[in-house]
Formats: sequence, C-alpha cells, structure tokens
Amino acid sequence: QVQLVQSGAEVKKPGSSVKVSCKASGGTFSNSAISWVRQAPGQGLEWMGGIIPMFGTTKFAQNLHGRVTISVDESTGIAYMEMSSLRSDDTAVYYCARVSSNSPLNHWYFDLWGRGSLVTVSS
Amino acid sequence: DIVMTQSPDSLAVSLGARATFNCKSSQSLLFSSNNENCLAWYQQKPGQPPRLLISWASTRESGVPDRFSGSGSGTDFTLTISSLEAEDVAVYYCQQYHTTPWTFGQGTKVEI
Repeated sequence: QVQLVQSGAEVKKPGSSVKVSCKASGGTFSNSAISWVRQAPGQGLEWMGGIIPMFGTTKFAQNLHGRVTISVDESTGIAYMEMSSLRSDDTAVYYCARVSSNSPLNHWYFDLWGRGSLVTVSS
Repeated sequence: DIVMTQSPDSLAVSLGARATFNCKSSQSLLFSSNNENCLAWYQQKPGQPPRLLISWASTRESGVPDRFSGSGSGTDFTLTISSLEAEDVAVYYCQQYHTTPWTFGQGTKVEI
C-alpha cells in the first residue's frame, strides 16, 4: 500500500528558504499529479501548487507563485516543494497529497496525503 | 478565487444522532463534461492529515463507512453523518476542484 513519506520538521529564519520532500513508499506516484497543501497552526487548508510528473507541468496558487518551486526527481520518485523568502506567516504544516486518478486532468482532488512536515519560521 | 463557506463552524452531536453540515461555494461547481459537481469532503482528526471521504459531491471513497453521505449541486452542498460514532469527532472540510486555485472551506468541527 502506497504511503507518502515526508521529510522532518524544520526551523528557518525569516528570509531564508526551505525544501520539503515527499517520497512514495511501497510504490510510486504512478503518474499521478502531486500537490502541496499547507495548514497554519489551528487554521484551515490552503492549496499551494502541484506538478504532473508525466508532463512536467506545474500549477500554483497565484499568491505564492514566485516563492514556491515544485519538482519531482523521477529517478528517485521524490517530490519536492521549495519555498523562498520565508516569513513568519509561512509557519505551517506542509502536506504533500496525491491527486486522485479519478480527477479529470485539470480538476484535482486528493486521495492520499503525507503526514505533514512542520516548518517553523522564527528569528 | 472561488470562496467556500462552511456552516456551522462547530457542531455538538450526541452519539447515534444525525450530524449535518453545509458548504456553500461562491460559484457553481457543476462540471459540464460529466454533469457532476467538483466538490470533495475531507475528515481531519487531531494530529493527522486530511482523509478523503467523498468526491463529486456524493461519491463515497472506498473504505468510508456508509453512514457518511454527500449531497447537493451547483453552489450548495451537505455532508451527513447518519449516526455519529465517537471516532467521527474531527474537523470536516469541503474543497472545490472546479477552478484553480483549488480552495477549501474553513472547516466544521464535530464534537460529542
């Protein structure tokens, strides 16, 4: 059974960058798109962006575009989310999530989630 | 962006009772290609990631108990738990996947 295994917690200074990884354990992404969703402490869910590895195409939430890079290393089967110019309000749990194979190509919902990676931005 | 508004923010329900909560979108979520609605429901328990319960507004995912059901169309949607069990204590989120950016409601917290 495929699980999404994410990297551990990080503490970063404001203005720095963070790179979070997500690996499919027990299988592969199987050509599924992968998205990143974050959740600030005690708050709701915010979709950040995603990638379709098969095509190498990416989508981003406009308010984050420019600060977020999403990639997949197909040789290792690991997806990455890198965020730059970190601010205190970027403190959140960052989830990777697999887009359901029943989603139409450009209409994504998420059927498998990683356990999350806490990123704390603090001086 | 499509705004998703859930109500109520929290709900206290007795064990075995019915729980109903709502999700309203600022635009229609009808997908013309299949005449279904691009609306998903997730359950999130404390310290856990979200779990997909329902897609296309009413299609229950494999392994989801049949006490969970989704309904609605256009801009108004409902998630119902027919007989609440202790394990259903969680926050429930709706998500639209009609138009990017995909957006979530603020969540409804269900308590006993």
